[in-house]
Amino acid sequence: DIVMTQSPDSLAVSLGERATINCKSSQTILHTSNSKNYLAWYQQKPGQPPRLLFYWASTRESGVPDRFSGSGSGTDFSLTISSLQAEDVAVYYCQQYESTPYTFGQGTRLEIK
Amino acid sequence: QVQLVESGGGVVQPGGSLRLSCVASGFTFSNYAMHWVRQAPGKGLEWVAFIRYDGSNKYYPDSVKGRFTISRDDSKNTLDLQLNSLRPEDTAVYYCAKDRVRGYMDVWGKGTTVTVSS
Repeated sequence: DIVMTQSPDSLAVSLGERATINCKSSQTILHTSNSKNYLAWYQQKPGQPPRLLFYWASTRESGVPDRFSGSGSGTDFSLTISSLQAEDVAVYYCQQYESTPYTFGQGTRLEIK
Repeated sequence: QVQLVESGGGVVQPGGSLRLSCVASGFTFSNYAMHWVRQAPGKGLEWVAFIRYDGSNKYYPDSVKGRFTISRDDSKNTLDLQLNSLRPEDTAVYYCAKDRVRGYMDVWGKGTTVTVSS
């Protein structure tokens, strides 16, 4: 199984500042055949289901503000919020879909400092 | 609009069974693979089942393999999850989710809660 490890577990950032969440896979999730990284990012606010933010590691889902960006390749990935807004308080998860069992990172809780 | 609505959760004793359902609307259900994902209280997300758009392939993690069964009825736009031999560690909110392409989930339901307790 591919293990997904996020860091940090929690993060407190001031409004307007940059927030970066890291995600590392235990093996590569880059397919050389199509040069795609099989990684998604989700945002989950309290009492709500997860919301898709990015797929293929860096393709932003429709409706996601452009202050959010996804990057990385192979085994190391990042989700960055360039200027934190109050509505960004949530838990963020990465997920690999390169192979079953599909696996999620443990989550990173993002709060306002 | 695209919507998934789960039902069927409840309280069940260890060793018991439950059947969850998810009704889809707003998209052509038969064209898409589907997932079930669960979240134990205060914990992270765990994928528990996948079914291809045509029902030809089903996948499960080892934690539920042999106990859970995913199925679909395209005539009713319904996705089901049969939960057997339930354990306390199966206690969670169970989400139904639509697969857009190849394994990531673009639409989620609000979830249904399963509690396994004596």
